[in-house]
Amino acid sequence: GAGVSQSPRYKVAKRGQDVALRCDPISGHVSLFWYQQALGQGPEFLTYFQNEAQLDKSGLPSDRFFAERPEGSVSTLKIQRTQQEDSAVYLCASSPTQLAGDNEQFFGPGTRLTVL
Amino acid sequence: AQKVTQAQTEISVVEKEDVTLDCVYETRDTTYYLFWYKQPPSGELVFLIRRNSFDEQNEISGRYSWNFQKSTSSFNFTITASQVVDSAVYFCALSGGQGAQKLVFGQGTRLTINP
Repeated sequence: GAGVSQSPRYKVAKRGQDVALRCDPISGHVSLFWYQQALGQGPEFLTYFQNEAQLDKSGLPSDRFFAERPEGSVSTLKIQRTQQEDSAVYLCASSPTQLAGDNEQFFGPGTRLTVL
Repeated sequence: AQKVTQAQTEISVVEKEDVTLDCVYETRDTTYYLFWYKQPPSGELVFLIRRNSFDEQNEISGRYSWNFQKSTSSFNFTITASQVVDSAVYFCALSGGQGAQKLVFGQGTRLTINP
């Protein structure tokens, strides 16, 4: 497809488990973002990649959260030792240029993570 | 710090009524960008409009219109002749200039259009 895809769409984890969430951005898009959306809230920024370089990770809530984009395309968000407060929808977005501040970000459908 | 406030948590109107969604923002950047996104029940955020801080010209696109006023730091969105398919959560968002890439979102307004 032509859009941003994310997998899995739903993930249930037991507290303490590690999870990995995948994002396939639109082909050729330079910028890639991860956001966290808690129930009933707006999305909150986690981290930003320009190609393979992680230029901003100021939104990652703890050192249990780690993201990578090794080849400048697919990205993985990893959460170690999940906690109940990590339950949220994780959204991935991509943008065609490095000047992403003034460009539309195209969002994927999200991964709904539930930590029991 | 940047902040976006959508004071209306939920709005419910009857089909064909006009409805305005309010958005107020805070930023110290002289160059910035404002966005509206729609999030239908399927969950995927859909881009509606982008405005930069130098362009205060208001826009009409079909049933949608936007009112950007720097003097009041507001970027409001109006749907005329609302339809049931307009039911969704609407988010206003802000990004700063000078390389600031991330979007800062408001809390969202849940809009319900009743038949």
